[in-house]
Amino acid sequence: GQQVMQIPQYQHVQEGEDFTTYCNSSTTLSNIQWYKQRPGGHPVFLIQLVKSGEVKKQKRLTFQFGEAKKNSSLHITATQTTDVGTYFCAGLVPTGFQKLVFGTGTRLLVSP
Amino acid sequence: DGGITQSPKYLFRKEGQNVTLSCEQNLNHDAMYWYRQDPGQGLRLIYYSQIVNDFQKGDIAEGYSVSREKKESFPLTVTSAQKNPTAFYLCASSFTYTGELFFGEGSRLTVL
Repeated sequence: GQQVMQIPQYQHVQEGEDFTTYCNSSTTLSNIQWYKQRPGGHPVFLIQLVKSGEVKKQKRLTFQFGEAKKNSSLHITATQTTDVGTYFCAGLVPTGFQKLVFGTGTRLLVSP
Repeated sequence: DGGITQSPKYLFRKEGQNVTLSCEQNLNHDAMYWYRQDPGQGLRLIYYSQIVNDFQKGDIAEGYSVSREKKESFPLTVTSAQKNPTAFYLCASSFTYTGELFFGEGSRLTVL
């Protein structure tokens, strides 16, 4: 079946350091979405990427969609303690019916 | 305020009992979903519904049942046939099937 893997599973950084999580799919994706889940909370939508090679920025967050539409990354510049949480990618797999497949998530801990 | 309401937030159940989790949305979204989240894992799709009176099995539908009699409501029943029901259950909705997901706050089910 379709799989979407994320690495690393966990990262602990000092405030001010950069952070990157990578998402890889075994199949080509129609689009990719990113979500953030704070500890004890529910996932909240961050962004959706659709085009091959697309790059989008939201303040300190930079999202990329690979040229082959099989991988994506989220980069946070100069992390803050408010960035703590688990970041999930979710790829839309173009099967007979399109299905959103969530990655395994990367848990980010930021120390002040 | 528009949003998704899940209830109850916490639920304890004895083995062999069925339990129903409520999910209501006032976002006028056509599509609704149920996901299961286990510690350290991503979100796995249980059931989804693209329109009233229609729903489809997701990846882990065994031991669960749903109904979609109203656009606003998509309750999930965890039956006694579900072998490992202790988990965090998340309901979500979207305007279109391929669009951004809006999640409820989740229901944490513990089987004693």
